Order: sequence, then structure tokens, then C-alpha cells
Amino acid sequence: GEDVEQSLFLSVREGDSSVINCTYTDSSSTYLYWYKQEPGAGLQLLTYIFSNMDMKQDQRLTVLLNKKDKHLSLRIADTQTGDSAIYFCAEILYGNNRLAFGKGNQVVVIP
Amino acid sequence: KAGVTQTPRYLIKTRGQQVTLSCSPISGHRSVSWYQQTPGQGLQFLFEYFSETQRNKGNFPGRFSGRQFSNSRSEMNVSTLELGDSALYLCASSLVLGGYSYEQYFGPGTRLTVT
Repeated sequence: GEDVEQSLFLSVREGDSSVINCTYTDSSSTYLYWYKQEPGAGLQLLTYIFSNMDMKQDQRLTVLLNKKDKHLSLRIADTQTGDSAIYFCAEILYGNNRLAFGKGNQVVVIP
Repeated sequence: KAGVTQTPRYLIKTRGQQVTLSCSPISGHRSVSWYQQTPGQGLQFLFEYFSETQRNKGNFPGRFSGRQFSNSRSEMNVSTLELGDSALYLCASSLVLGGYSYEQYFGPGTRLTVT
């Protein structure tokens, strides 16, 4: 079944890199996503990776996928105060269009 | 291109009432999905509509229903509101490619408070 797990809180200094981790249990996942949610806002699609890839880079964002361990991570380089938010990983399963989300990871950037 | 819009943004209702929320997708997107976000349960899938037909449904009671119009706009309805229905309701729209709605873009949500 669908079960996406994330750690809860990360504090990082401005300019440092942040790494957010996520594990998922369903090997039928086809796409894995990272969404960002700022206070009072909806979800912003940051990036996603197809399950047959192991890495994707998009400007300051790097996604790593370890299918063997069912582990997904998001690295944000040169973290800025505007990166303070809750980050959700999510998966879509094969044959299904519903996103299954983790509980989210709050990132606080200290100036 | 305009993003996903949801109306109203905030709503306060009383237990037992019903409510209708509206979602206008990004132009050209024909799939609309609805999600409920609460502090306790997190983000949960409600249903997905494509070409005016419900394609997927999550594990919610029949009090939660939806529909989609020919212009792809969607509404969701919750009847006989309960306190536990207080949540942020998010709508997401996507293109459908090869049957998949794999890039889902979210609106700002409707914050529903049931008293």
C-alpha cells in the first residue's frame, strides 16, 4: 500500500545546503515528487523524478532516488530565507493518478 | 498563464450545513483532483475528475461528492458537515498524458471551519 514517511523538522543556516529525506514503501511508484508549502498557501510543485532515474538536478535543487532502499531525498543548495516552508514528498502509483503524500518536513532557514 | 483558482478562500459553516467549493483549473488542463489537508491526517486524496467523469475516489464518506463541468471547472460538495470536516481543501489540475495526470498544480485552497 501507500506509505510515505518523512522526518519532521530541519533548521539550516542561510547559505548552507539542506537535505530533506523521505522513504516510501510501494515499489509500484512511477513518479516521485517534492512539493513546497508556505504558510497560508497551497502546494507548489518543485520538482519530480521518474522512478527509472536515480538523480535529477534543477538549478539549486537535486533529487536523489535510491529504489533499492525506497529512499528519496531533496538537496537545496545555497538555502535562502525564502526556502523556509514545509516540504512534502509524494508518489503516484502505477495505474493511479492520486498523489500519496508524506507528513511533511518543516525547514527553517536562520539568517 | 493563470494558475489554479479556488473560491471561496475562507468559509465558516455550522455543523449539519452543507458547503460547495469551486475550482477553476489552469487553461487546457482537463483533470482536476481534490485533497483534504488536516493537521492530524495530513494530505489525503478525495477524488479526481477528468472529462466530467469521476476517475478515482479516495476513502471518504458519501457526504463528500464532486462534479466537473464541460469547461473543466470542478466543484466539491460536503453535506451534513461535521466538526472533523474542518480542513484546508486543495484542488489540483493537470494535463492528462498517456492517461496519467502526473504534473499536478495546486490552487491556494479553501479553508473551511465548521463550528
